[in-house]
Amino acid sequence: QKEVEQNSGPLSVPEGAIASLNCTYSDRGSQSFFWYRQYSGKSPELIMFIYSNGDKEDGRFTAQLNKASQYVSLLIRDSQPSDSATYLCGTGFQKLVFGTGTRLLVSP
Amino acid sequence: DADVTQTPRNRITKTGKRIMLECSQTKGHDRMYWYRQDPGLGLRLIYYSFDVKDINKGEISDGYSVSRQAQAKFSLSLESAIPNQTALYFCATSVGTKGKGSYNEQFFGPGTRLTVL
Repeated sequence: QKEVEQNSGPLSVPEGAIASLNCTYSDRGSQSFFWYRQYSGKSPELIMFIYSNGDKEDGRFTAQLNKASQYVSLLIRDSQPSDSATYLCGTGFQKLVFGTGTRLLVSP
Repeated sequence: DADVTQTPRNRITKTGKRIMLECSQTKGHDRMYWYRQDPGLGLRLIYYSFDVKDINKGEISDGYSVSRQAQAKFSLSLESAIPNQTALYFCATSVGTKGKGSYNEQFFGPGTRLTVL
């Protein structure tokens, strides 16, 4: 079993909708979690990190962490076509382990 | 100018050839990393270095070696390239530990697309 699991998608949502991206992890000792966004042909860039149970909000993005259930999610409110990208979930502090990524498609 | 640069950006080579991918950074970060990205497999860590004298194997180091020539330079070598090393390779950098509750963002270079025939 891979340490971090993500549905590869694509996840298709209409413009203005909420996109919900999910991720599960296997190591109960994992403490820090993050979401990177990667546009096609580009390098990953950090969107959110979270280490406490609950929600963390930054603009249109909300990361949710549930350590008891071992899942992390990313909500994107008011989705825009420019949000269309692959979203990489992962864990680690200095040595990172990534999931395979979920491709998000936001249609106008 | 880009903070993290990789050369070459694209490379096509033949099986058995020695290849070196180079990474340079102007961010002043101590920590540097090499990843490869394959469709369906995501990003996987090859090697990482927390300072010039510190080199560590990652998840998939077999068939690769690295050299940390300076704080700003970290090279990845394929001694004898094989077709299943065809992938997109990323270099990344981060600062050292800031403390509890902080997260040391990794900054990625633009990537090197390597094809081994």
